[in-house]
Amino acid sequence: DVKVTQSSRYLVKRTGEKVFLECVQDMDHENMFWYRQDPGLGLRLIYFSYDVKMKEKGDIPEGYSVSREKKERFSLILESASTNQTSMYLCASKSPGPITDTQYFGPGTRLTVL
Amino acid sequence: DAKTTQPNSMESNEEEPVHLPCNHSTISGTDYIHWYRQLPSQGPEYVIHGLTSNVNNRMASLAIAEDRKSSTLILHRATLRDAAVYYCIGGSNYKLTFGKGTLLTVNP
Repeated sequence: DVKVTQSSRYLVKRTGEKVFLECVQDMDHENMFWYRQDPGLGLRLIYFSYDVKMKEKGDIPEGYSVSREKKERFSLILESASTNQTSMYLCASKSPGPITDTQYFGPGTRLTVL
Repeated sequence: DAKTTQPNSMESNEEEPVHLPCNHSTISGTDYIHWYRQLPSQGPEYVIHGLTSNVNNRMASLAIAEDRKSSTLILHRATLRDAAVYYCIGGSNYKLTFGKGTLLTVNP
């Protein structure tokens, strides 16, 4: 059974803290994605990676960075957390190839920044 | 990516068919139409996709208009477990742009 796991379901951090969100997939997928989801705004793409050490900015990369040192792991980093980064963060992965390949999502991490 | 328009919410009764519409008038000829759904407290999951022809799988059917400017996701017999937000997405590359989706409520 395919699986995307995220390090935490719930996380509470303080303004200014450095925050790491981890995502691991066991499907040997090249492509991995980080989204955030906010009420009324749907899912918005933050960053994606199409291979190890490769990354591309999504629609809302400001305030975030990413790291992909191993194929199975994709990390989202908030260098200095702010209250407007309180959100649900979703990780996904897919195999490379045509757009018809399915994206598999993790359960999400609900981050609260105080 | 094609811009898609969906109703904010829809309601159905259990065991009845549900037709979820989506308009994608700006879709290009090579954009696939994807449907995902998000159950409460879970990440989105794939439902179905298509290009020009109608498609069926174990979860649902997808009816695509001949001009490809709209499509309809059909759940043949809604169950309580189908209550979710349904996203219609038009995409032609590896990036899928999720809109706000349709919140489907299923009444017992």
